[in-house]
Amino acid sequence: KNEVEQSPQNLTAQEGEFITINCSYSVGISALHWLQQHPGGGIVSLFMLSSGKKKHGRLIATINIQEKHSSLHITASHPRDSAVYICAVKSADKLIFGTGTRLQVFP
Amino acid sequence: IAGITQAPTSQILAAGRRMTLRCTQDMRHNAMYWYRQDLGLGLRLIHYSNTAGTTGKGEVPDGYSVSRANTDDFPLTLASAVPSQTSVYFCASSPTRRFGEKLFFGSGTQLSVL
Repeated sequence: KNEVEQSPQNLTAQEGEFITINCSYSVGISALHWLQQHPGGGIVSLFMLSSGKKKHGRLIATINIQEKHSSLHITASHPRDSAVYICAVKSADKLIFGTGTRLQVFP
Repeated sequence: IAGITQAPTSQILAAGRRMTLRCTQDMRHNAMYWYRQDLGLGLRLIHYSNTAGTTGKGEVPDGYSVSRANTDDFPLTLASAVPSQTSVYFCASSPTRRFGEKLFFGSGTQLSVL
């Protein structure tokens, strides 16, 4: 079993829909990152959080340390949000990455 | 524009050949990393460097070497490439390796070893 599990693996949505991507982990962590990878492009860091909730534009990230779970929400989704979203946890001085959630938003 | 530059963007390489992937950053970050990304797997750390002059082994270091002669450059060398090294390689950096710091990634190098 992977130490970092993301769900769903694939997600399709209609423009305007509210989207939730989940990340569960089984190790002790000091921080959790959400990353975005566009097709053919590099990887961009969206959030780093160790507790609570962070918001940037239409993106919201939450983390529940007790439940070892984080969610990434996208409000009013847009086709340009189509990408792979990757969760990574910082545990014992190393980063452990999830395999990503592929999101496609259709007009 | 500040950031990380990787070269080449893509490369096809014959097995047994030597190859160096280049990575340069202009943010004066101390920590740099090399990851490989394979289908169905999360990013895996190959080697890292906490600061110029030091390097360390990551999760999958075999067959790869790195050097960190200065703050800006962190090349990754495959001494004798094998087909299992076919992957997408990402260089990344952060101010230090402490938790709570944002990671910056290059745009990746697609490497095919035949």
